[in-house]
Amino acid sequence: DTAVSQTPKYLVTQMGNDKSIKCEQNLGHDTMYWYKQDSKKFLKIMFSYNNKELIINETVPNRFSPKSPDKAHLNLHINSLELGDSAVYFCASSPSGPGTQYFGPGTRLLVL
Amino acid sequence: DAKTTQPNSMESNEEEPVHLPCNHSTISGTDYIHWYRQLPSQGPEYVIHGLTSNVNNRMASLAIAEDRKSSTLILHRATLRDAAVYYCILRDVGNNDMRFGAGTRLTVKP
Repeated sequence: DTAVSQTPKYLVTQMGNDKSIKCEQNLGHDTMYWYKQDSKKFLKIMFSYNNKELIINETVPNRFSPKSPDKAHLNLHINSLELGDSAVYFCASSPSGPGTQYFGPGTRLLVL
Repeated sequence: DAKTTQPNSMESNEEEPVHLPCNHSTISGTDYIHWYRQLPSQGPEYVIHGLTSNVNNRMASLAIAEDRKSSTLILHRATLRDAAVYYCILRDVGNNDMRFGAGTRLTVKP
C-alpha cells in the first residue's frame, strides 16, 4: 500500500497555464506538506497544513495555492505557470508535532 | 534557525562502514537531530533521529557528541542501495518545520 501518493508523476505544460498536483496520504496523519526541489537539488518547504489549517506559508508566490478538501488530501494549484516553476514537487505527511515525515514520490513539472 | 554543516560528498566501498558527519554548533536544547536520505529519483526517507543519547535502528546508528554540537550517522555495512544524499536536520521539539540543507552525496563503490 502506498502511504503518500501524488498525481501526476510527470507534468509538462506551457507557460501561462494553470495546473494542479494532487496528494493523498493513507497514514491518518494530521499534517501535510508541499516541498519544491529545484534544479540545484535544494529541497525547500512551501506549505504545511495541519487539520486543514495553513500553519507554514513560506515566501512563495501567491500563484501557488494549497487546497485541502480533507485531512487525507493536500492539493497544490498553480496559476499562470512560469519557466522558473519547473522543479520536482514533493508532498509529505506527518503526525502532529515533530514526527517523522513521509514523502511521496514527487511530481516532475516542466514548464515550456 | 539552527544550521547544520555537512561535507558535500563522501565515498565508501561496498560492505564497509560509513561515518557521515554533521556539525550543528548552534543547536538549542530543544532541537532533535534528524537524518533523512534521498535515493535517486525518489522522495526523501526517514533514517533516524535522536536528542542526546546514541540511537540504533535497523537502518543505521546515530552517535551524538556529548556537547551535542556534532553528530555522526553510521551505516554499518554500506550497500549499493545506500548511495543517496543524506541530510542532517535540526527540528525543534514543538515544530513541524524541517529545513533541508545541501546534504552529503554518498557514493558506494562495488
